[in-house]
Amino acid sequence: GEDVEQSLFLSVREGDSSVINCTYTDSSSTYLYWYKQEPGAGLQLLTYIFSNMDMKQDQRLTVLLNKKDKHLSLRIADTQTGDSAIYFCAERAGTNAGKSTFGDGTTLTVKP
Amino acid sequence: DAGVTQSPTHLIKTRGQQVTLRCSPKSGHDTVSWYQQALGQGPQFIFQYYEEEERQRGNFPDRFSGHQFPNYSSELNVNALLLGDSALYLCASSPRRAGFYGYTFGSGTRLTVV
Repeated sequence: GEDVEQSLFLSVREGDSSVINCTYTDSSSTYLYWYKQEPGAGLQLLTYIFSNMDMKQDQRLTVLLNKKDKHLSLRIADTQTGDSAIYFCAERAGTNAGKSTFGDGTTLTVKP
Repeated sequence: DAGVTQSPTHLIKTRGQQVTLRCSPKSGHDTVSWYQQALGQGPQFIFQYYEEEERQRGNFPDRFSGHQFPNYSSELNVNALLLGDSALYLCASSPRRAGFYGYTFGSGTRLTVV
């Protein structure tokens, strides 16, 4: 079945770059996502990438996809204290709406 | 434009009771998915509704059931509550034909079973 794995914690200094990594097992994963969850809140979609892409950049966010190794990463440039949150990697197979499988999240702590 | 609205925000129930959680999707979205998020874990897929029918279901027992109304809003019902049902229940909406762009989540309902 589908499985998504993430490291649990990452700590960086304000102004540094953060890199959050994710691996997935489902080779039919077509869409991959990064969501952010702040305390007491739901998940916020940050960005997504299709499986036929290698990279996607959106302002301070860069997503890299290595489909051969089933590895996804999220780089946050110039990390700020407001970026402190839990980041979830998720995958979805198929087209249109359908279930997504989420990892257990990486807690990013940004120190001033 | 209101996003996804869930009610109530918090709920305390006793083992064996039944609970109903409610969700109004984002305007323009016709598909509603429900997720359970236990403390320290990622969301787990419960089921998805589209055109008032359950379209996909995750690995959850029949105690979990749902409904979607003609206005696309949805309810999640859980019968015979167990302590292990304590979690954050998240509603996520998406447009069926462009759902690959990802979900819009509500803030969730925190259910505590005592």
